[in-house]
Amino acid sequence: NAGVMQNPRHLVRRRGQEARLRCSPMKGHSHVYWYRQLPEEGLKFMVYLQKENIIDESGMPKERFSAEFPKEGPSILRIQQVVRGDSAAYFCASSPSRPANTGELFFGEGSRLTVL
Amino acid sequence: GNSVTQMEGPVTLSEEAFLTINCTYTATGYPSLFWYVQYPGEGLQLLLKATKADDKGSNKGFEATYRKETTSFHLEKGSVQVSDSAVYFCALSDLGDDKIIFGKGTRLHILP
Repeated sequence: NAGVMQNPRHLVRRRGQEARLRCSPMKGHSHVYWYRQLPEEGLKFMVYLQKENIIDESGMPKERFSAEFPKEGPSILRIQQVVRGDSAAYFCASSPSRPANTGELFFGEGSRLTVL
Repeated sequence: GNSVTQMEGPVTLSEEAFLTINCTYTATGYPSLFWYVQYPGEGLQLLLKATKADDKGSNKGFEATYRKETTSFHLEKGSVQVSDSAVYFCALSDLGDDKIIFGKGTRLHILP
């Protein structure tokens, strides 16, 4: 029973390049969350998606960041024209239903982005 | 808006010591409360939860009681082990809000 799979685990980009982070939720899970963890800070909510829909993107920066969760394939978090401040660990989590009902999210191991 | 405040770390204890990690919350509704744990190099995993006032969540020797009067959900363990070394996150979810809000995390070091 595979858990939440994120790749790449580590990604190095130079300023101005694009970063694409992928997340395959657990089997049967149609709810996906993305969180960002900055050094010495907690987890910050970025976006909540269901298949083909963005439900809540109130935590996403207005520019350069986008997310999708297509009908087929993994969820993608895309960061265009990366800057050093984007260096962080990005965690994906999934749930079989609205997490507010159960509170349980299943997290991946994270993708660590380093911007040079 | 909803928020979670937990004690800053790092917290360093000797093996078999008593552990308390404080957590208080602010919420507009009647939230459910959670503790998640993150071991080195891994993602978070749910440790325990409580969905209403006076509920006690427990798992792996850890406990936390939902105190509505003090808006708190402190994590306790009677005798910690080296393997408990991790980062602990307090979190809440509010019905009607699809986000789960996390605190900043408290890093715990247990010395043998």
